[in-house]
Amino acid sequence: NAGVTQTPKFRILKIGQSMTLQCTQDMNHNYMYWYRQDPGMGLKLIYYSVGAGITDKGEVPNGYNVSRSTTEDFPLRLELAAPSQTSVYFCASSYGGVKNIQYFGAGTRLSVL
Amino acid sequence: EDQVTQSPEALRLQEGESSSLNCSYTVSGLRGLFWYRQDPGKGPEFLFTLYSAGEEKEKERLKATLTKKESFLHITAPKPEDSATYLCAVQAGSGGSNYKLTFGKGTLLTVNP
Repeated sequence: NAGVTQTPKFRILKIGQSMTLQCTQDMNHNYMYWYRQDPGMGLKLIYYSVGAGITDKGEVPNGYNVSRSTTEDFPLRLELAAPSQTSVYFCASSYGGVKNIQYFGAGTRLSVL
Repeated sequence: EDQVTQSPEALRLQEGESSSLNCSYTVSGLRGLFWYRQDPGKGPEFLFTLYSAGEEKEKERLKATLTKKESFLHITAPKPEDSATYLCAVQAGSGGSNYKLTFGKGTLLTVNP
């Protein structure tokens, strides 16, 4: 069972470069989420989507963009990378509804130097 | 604004020494409280969801309880393999659809043999 798959696992970027973090889920979940996790700071929501074509900002959206063209995929785009974007990024998905259990991928560790 | 506070930040136990982790929350209309386990270098793994005060759930050596202001994760006779960071999160909002989770910073549990 694949669940939520994130690629790449690790990446080093130079300041000003751009990249896309990929996220795919095979559970037919409508809801998908992007979080960042910094040491000692917990998980912060960047963007989320309630279905294909529908996205909304979370708590810390600045410097990021998302799109949702299919149910399965929810890529996160970093434009003009900055050192403040050094973090571990997690993608998650859920059915929504009352129980709304979110299932997480293994994460992408990103360093911006 | 929803707030989740976990304590202690870190807890070191001897194998077999039972203890509890605390998660206190301030939300507008609790829809669910979630406990996750996170191992180093991995994504959070779902453990429990609690929906109403007085509810309890158990899984092996773990037992989660919920009151109107806080949740406890009780660990009975822990083993070294229980070592991980335990995350608490709340889903809030009354009416409509609000599927975002607000996470605490986590408790790092270390169980020594």
